[in-house]
Amino acid sequence: SQTIHQWPATLVQPVGSPLSLECTVEGTSNPNLYWYRQAAGRGLQLLFYSVGIGQISSEVPQNLSASRPQDRQFILSSKKLLLSDSGFYLCAWSGSGGYNEQFFGPGTRLTVL
Amino acid sequence: SQQGEEDPQALSIQEGENATMNCSYKTSINNLQWYRQNSGRGLVHLILIRSNEREKHSGRLRVTLDTSKKSSSLLITASRAADTASYFCATDGRGTGGFKTIFGAGTRLFVKA
Repeated sequence: SQTIHQWPATLVQPVGSPLSLECTVEGTSNPNLYWYRQAAGRGLQLLFYSVGIGQISSEVPQNLSASRPQDRQFILSSKKLLLSDSGFYLCAWSGSGGYNEQFFGPGTRLTVL
Repeated sequence: SQQGEEDPQALSIQEGENATMNCSYKTSINNLQWYRQNSGRGLVHLILIRSNEREKHSGRLRVTLDTSKKSSSLLITASRAADTASYFCATDGRGTGGFKTIFGAGTRLFVKA
């Protein structure tokens, strides 16, 4: 069966510090991968998606970047965090080809102070 | 851009009652999905309805889709306290390559025991 892992679960970082959130998927190959951000009590904002190794599509210009160094690994990064980067970050995967249901990781709660 | 918008934003009912949540979107879709999110957790896929379907059932869930009105509804029958969560609709639109699932802001459902 497929599983998706995200870590860390919670993170408190000072403004201006770097960020690296990691997401890995097991039990499937060539998945589509997604990073979302969710503000408190709000819906999900799609940040990045990837249909293959090294292929990243950015949805919202911002302080963040994403990379996919391996088929089932998706990394969200920042060189210098802003206060506005605080939020709940969710990684998800879906089968290749699009239009499929997405499976979400447990999320990372990021607080930038 | 298209976006699912849920209505109401919040709903409080007694255990055993039915809960109805609505979703409206702006442009043509290939399918519409409903997800559930418990507080502080990742989203869980509930049901997917395709644009050529009008109604779909899964256990106590009933989803309808009216493409002429660009709207969908999620009905939870005989609600339980454990149904307390946020519910999101999500749409995949034509022309997006199937990779961009747009989520609404969600309906927060509270079921009182």
